[in-house]
Amino acid sequence: DAKTTQPPSMDCAEGRAANLPCNHSTISGNEYVYWYRQIHSQGPQYIIHGLKNNETNEMASLIITEDRKSSTLILPHATLRDTAVYYCIVRFSTSGTYKYIFGTGTRLKVLA
Amino acid sequence: NAGVTQTPKFRVLKTGQSMTLLCAQDMNHEYMYWYRQDPGMGLRLIHYSVGEGTTAKGEVPDGYNVSRLKKQNFLLGLESAAPSQTSVYFCASSFPTRDRGWQANEKLFFGSGTQLSVL
Repeated sequence: DAKTTQPPSMDCAEGRAANLPCNHSTISGNEYVYWYRQIHSQGPQYIIHGLKNNETNEMASLIITEDRKSSTLILPHATLRDTAVYYCIVRFSTSGTYKYIFGTGTRLKVLA
Repeated sequence: NAGVTQTPKFRVLKTGQSMTLLCAQDMNHEYMYWYRQDPGMGLRLIHYSVGEGTTAKGEVPDGYNVSRLKKQNFLLGLESAAPSQTSVYFCASSFPTRDRGWQANEKLFFGSGTQLSVL
C-alpha cells in the first residue's frame, strides 16, 4: 500500500501562493494522488486529484513529478479561509476495490 | 440532495455500552467508508463497503462491526464501548453506480462527523 509523507505544518502569507509538498515514493502506476482539506473539525473536503499529468481546477493546481514519486498542491492566492489541515492521499486498489488511506496531513496556517 | 448524513452528532457512552452510528447517503454511491479521527491525528479507516451486502476491514477494525443491508445506509456498531474508542467518526461515500458506468467523479463525500465519548 502506497503511503504518503507530508510536513506537519506550514505558514503562508495571505495573498501569496501556498505550495504544499507530498512524497509518495512507493506509488504504483495505477494509483491516483488525491488532496483533501479539513477545516476545523468538519468532514474533509475534496480539492483535486491526478494520475500523472498536472491538474488545475477552481480551487488549486496539482503538480506531479515525472517519476510520480512526489507532488505539490498549489493554492495560488491563499486566504485566511484556506487555513486548514491538508491531506495528500494515494488511492490504491485491492482486488478491484478502492481504499483511501489518510496520513496526518499538513497544517497550513495563512497569516494576515 | 442532502449528501452524506450522520446520526447522531454527539454521544456519550459508559464503558461496556453498545451503540450504532448511522450513515446515510442519497447520491446512489456504491462505496461507503467509516473513519475515525483522534485529536491531532489524521483519519484512519475502520471498515468500508463496496456495495450492498458487502463489507471489508480497514486499518483499525477491532472493536467495531458494520453492516450494509441497504445501499444508502452504512451502520457502524460498537458492541462493548471502551475509552479507547473515544473519537470523532466520519462516514464517506464515493463512486456512482455501475448501472451508469464508471465516471471520472471519484471523490469522497464526507459527513459532518459524530463526536463519541466513552467514559
